[in-house]
Amino acid sequence: GAVVSQHPSRVICKSGTSVKIECRSLDFQATTMFWYRQFPKQSLMLMATSNEGSKATYEQGVEKDKFLINHASLTLSTLTVTSAHPEDSSFYICSARGRGTGSLDYGYTFGSGTRLTVV
Amino acid sequence: DAKTTQPNSMESNEEEPVHLPCNHSTISGTDYIHWYRQLPSQGPEYVIHGLTSNVNNRMASLAIAEDRKSSTLILHRATLRDAAVYYCILRVYGQNFVFGPGTRLSVLP
Repeated sequence: GAVVSQHPSRVICKSGTSVKIECRSLDFQATTMFWYRQFPKQSLMLMATSNEGSKATYEQGVEKDKFLINHASLTLSTLTVTSAHPEDSSFYICSARGRGTGSLDYGYTFGSGTRLTVV
Repeated sequence: DAKTTQPNSMESNEEEPVHLPCNHSTISGTDYIHWYRQLPSQGPEYVIHGLTSNVNNRMASLAIAEDRKSSTLILHRATLRDAAVYYCILRVYGQNFVFGPGTRLSVLP
């Protein structure tokens, strides 16, 4: 149980275009979703936290107008990188926390990540 | 956030046990000790967690010092598929995970 599906796994886009990344909880209701970014050889950095039906909370230094997060349902959150530039190239990872039962109380489930390359 | 200190990298031979240390001298009474690992080009994967007592599951064992200022993740028989970055994270229930640099484990055949 507790599977998070993230798509696409890889995407290449042209500079100036927008890219949408989806994160779905397959067998539980994700009340909270987290979006991380990871540059090569570095650790994960939290970008934002989103609760279903409300606006996302962004970490300091993360541009909310550039990284649009939507968490409209209990099973889907999306991250849209708008007007992408080469410096936005990174590995983006989502994570979900579900309603408090069993393993979801103590562990978050992570998606498999999306490798974004902006050319 | 309570911080952890881990070695940058470790090596192990295949089929031998691996002990991955983690220091967390500023741990508070409500901090759980979590271990996640990240294989190349994958999201982090839950390994094990504990509060005070040693823990065992099918993936690994977690040995927690009596004063809780350090812990050790034990892989009983390393395989090539265990090569990954291992993160030791302190977390209060309900809060976010804050990832440090972790330990990059290499497993030699």
